[in-house]
Amino acid sequence: KAGVTQTPRYLIKTRGQQVTLSCSPISGHRSVSWYQQTPGQGLQFLFEYFSETQRNKGNFPGRFSGRQFSNSRSEMNVSTLELGDSALYLCASSLVVTTSTDTQYFGPGTRLTVL
Amino acid sequence: DQQVKQNSPSLSVQEGRISILNCDYTNSMFDYFLWYKKYPAEGPTFLISISSIKDKNEDGRFTVFLNKSAKHLSLHIVPSQPGDSAVYFCAASASFMGSQGNLIFGKGTKLSVKP
Repeated sequence: KAGVTQTPRYLIKTRGQQVTLSCSPISGHRSVSWYQQTPGQGLQFLFEYFSETQRNKGNFPGRFSGRQFSNSRSEMNVSTLELGDSALYLCASSLVVTTSTDTQYFGPGTRLTVL
Repeated sequence: DQQVKQNSPSLSVQEGRISILNCDYTNSMFDYFLWYKKYPAEGPTFLISISSIKDKNEDGRFTVFLNKSAKHLSLHIVPSQPGDSAVYFCAASASFMGSQGNLIFGKGTKLSVKP
């Protein structure tokens, strides 16, 4: 079974631009979560989508948004990029999120560099 | 305020010996804990998890121990192998968050296993 895939793997943008990252979950997984990893803050939760609805959101500004499609694929968008948005963006999928014991499986990440 | 803490940024162990990675948490509502292993430029790989109703879970060379009264968990790797060299993240989640989609991560411990 294929793992979580993320595209693109690397991206370079300039301040003020916007960016869209894509995530395809493991087949059959219905929940997709996004995380940001930076050297200073570690791995931080952005948001989680289940059945095309955002179910949980971390403490990030409104410039960070996402969506999920009917096939469970997800995209996240960052508008008006800032230098501090440079990070590894990770997507994780899980099978069915009805309890707290559902394991998340991560993709390889998208390395975003903002110049 | 860090809810999940990994106080040792690094750990060096001889091949064949035991590696013990520690993690402390502050939120007593956490009821599911996971360990992930991460290589540079890759997404975290799930290793092992434990529910708060258990105090030990074993999977091959990996064992996780949970001490709820101390709000402490540890990952034991026996025997350690050079291929285990990576950054290990402890993560926690809670049913009260509405879903398991929100994992709270520690900052990681870099394990180096020397031949």
